[in-house]
Amino acid sequence: GAVVSQHPSRVICKSGTSVKIECRSLDFQATTMFWYRQFPKQSLMLMATSNEGSKATYEQGVEKDKFLINHASLTLSTLTVTSAHPEDSSFYICSAWGGAKNIQYFGAGTRLSVL
Amino acid sequence: QQQVKQSPQSLIVQKGGISIINCAYENTAFDYFPWYQQFPGKGPALLIAIRPDVSEKKEGRFTISFNKSAKQFSLHIMDSQPGDSATYFCAASVSGNTPLVFGKGTRLSVIA
Repeated sequence: GAVVSQHPSRVICKSGTSVKIECRSLDFQATTMFWYRQFPKQSLMLMATSNEGSKATYEQGVEKDKFLINHASLTLSTLTVTSAHPEDSSFYICSAWGGAKNIQYFGAGTRLSVL
Repeated sequence: QQQVKQSPQSLIVQKGGISIINCAYENTAFDYFPWYQQFPGKGPALLIAIRPDVSEKKEGRFTISFNKSAKQFSLHIMDSQPGDSATYFCAASVSGNTPLVFGKGTRLSVIA
């Protein structure tokens, strides 16, 4: 149990386009989801905290207008990278809080490459 | 700010040996301390976690030692195997739906 599905696993896009990443909790309801970004050979850095039905809370230095987060249901949160540029290329990982143990469960990540 | 300090940055261990990774935290409000294993191109996978009410937790070959007064915790991997070669992250958080703060990671290589 407590599976988090993240889609797509990999996306390549042209500079200036927008990309949407989905994060789903498959067998539990997640009132809170988190979005992390990980650059090569670095640690996970929190981008934002997403609570169902309310606006996301962004970490300092993360542009909320560039990284749009929507948490419209208890099982789905989406991250949209708007007008992506090469410097946005990274590994994006979501996690969902909940399940039987009330801990964070991580998705498999999305590799974004912006050309 | 760096609230969880992890060392070493990289570690090479012989097959069958013990791998030890250490972490120190600053925020005394933290009460949940998980360790994650991450393979290249994959998301982090929870290995084992501990809460401050115990000083040690063991699951198979993995053991967490926790020292509340020193604000330190460590991961021990017994009988290390080549398949354990991965990046390991310690993390900490306050219980509940609060975000995890991660250490910088340790790249473990287990050689035959």
